[in-house]
Amino acid sequence: QKEVEQDPGPLSVPEGAIVSLNCTYSNSAFQYFMWYRQYSRKGPELLMYTYSSGNKEDGRFTAQVDKSSKYISLFIRDSQPSDSATYLCATALGNFNKFYFGSGTKLNVKP
Amino acid sequence: GAGVSQSPSNKVTEKGKDVELRCDPISGHTALYWYRQSLGQGLEFLIYFQGNSAPDKSGLPSDRFSAERTGGSVSTLTIQRTQQEDSAVYLCASSDTSKSDEQFFGPGTRLTVL
Repeated sequence: QKEVEQDPGPLSVPEGAIVSLNCTYSNSAFQYFMWYRQYSRKGPELLMYTYSSGNKEDGRFTAQVDKSSKYISLFIRDSQPSDSATYLCATALGNFNKFYFGSGTKLNVKP
Repeated sequence: GAGVSQSPSNKVTEKGKDVELRCDPISGHTALYWYRQSLGQGLEFLIYFQGNSAPDKSGLPSDRFSAERTGGSVSTLTIQRTQQEDSAVYLCASSDTSKSDEQFFGPGTRLTVL
């Protein structure tokens, strides 16, 4: 079993839609949870970072962690064509020696 | 300032040849990571360098893979006797662990083994 599971999509939505991206993880010891955005032929860039359970909001983006069910979510409100990219979830233990990434969900926001 | 740079951006090689991939991290970043990203796959951790400590090589898939980091800055990932299954994008990331845990990624090297 992979450490982090993520539906690869692709996910296609109209502009303005609310997008929900999700991951599950297997190791209850993970403490840090991240979402990265990766445009085609570019390296990933950090979008959101949360520690332990709870919600974190940044503009149109909300990251949610439910440690009881080992579930990570990213919500995008009022999605824009510029949000079209691959979104990768990631987890880490407290020492940050190693990050565990999901396979990425490809999102396409149609104008 | 400059971000993480990687070279070459693309590399095509023949099966059995050795290749070297280079990563220049952000100046002052003590942590450096190498990942491999195959088509439709997530990032697969390969190796982690932190300062002068011994690297965490637990992600290297075989003894054909090795990496070094000279002077705590530039890193080279070497793949010996390349195989077709080594074809992937190799990504390098660095971070300043004294300030935050954010990794800054380079654009990657796309390796194709024919």
